[in-house]
Amino acid sequence: EAQVTQNPRYLITVTGKKLTVTCSQNMNHEYMSWYRQDPGLGLRQIYYSMNVEVTDKGDVPEGYKVSRKEKRNFPLILESPSPNQTSLYFCASSVKFRGTRAGELFFGEGSRLTVL
Amino acid sequence: QKEVEQNSGPLSVPEGAIASLNCTYSDRGSQSFFWYRQYSGKSPELIMFIYSNGDKEDGRFTAQLNKASQYVSLLIRDSQPSDSATYLCAVSKAGTASKLTFGTGTRLQVTL
Repeated sequence: EAQVTQNPRYLITVTGKKLTVTCSQNMNHEYMSWYRQDPGLGLRQIYYSMNVEVTDKGDVPEGYKVSRKEKRNFPLILESPSPNQTSLYFCASSVKFRGTRAGELFFGEGSRLTVL
Repeated sequence: QKEVEQNSGPLSVPEGAIASLNCTYSDRGSQSFFWYRQYSGKSPELIMFIYSNGDKEDGRFTAQLNKASQYVSLLIRDSQPSDSATYLCAVSKAGTASKLTFGTGTRLQVTL
């Protein structure tokens, strides 16, 4: 089954405790991206990757890191989480980075993060 | 002005009626337009995309694009209670996935 898998799905942590949210896709997609979703603000892009070892900042990258060492995996790292990073996070992938269908994203189930 | 604007709703329509969801965008260079459906507590899923002016139909769904007026709409015919969800409009600038901007969504309620 084609899917994007995120872990953990739910996490409560404390300020400053490093955490990693994993994302893995089995569709051989080149493009992967992380979004956060907050009430009234919608989905905002954090980081994206066009291919292995190619990553770039999205609209709200502060406080986050990513890496793309393998095509299927795109982990999101919070080195020192703060309460303003409490949010619902989605990983997404797309077979196309460019072209008319470039926004056709497949989303993971989401990771709800609470930072106390 | 937000790059992609949607009325947050809720938009309430009776079962069997046509639901009309609208979205306006600010960047005239936008190339592709997407409608995602998001059920409460779930992830968004793509239901329609359009990149040429006019209408595009897929089952009960019709996407309409008017680039001159910078709006895109989604019509849902014969609305069902299972259509109750938040509908997100997304706009791709420069034809790249990295430049996909989402609206905040319109919540649709289909009443019995």
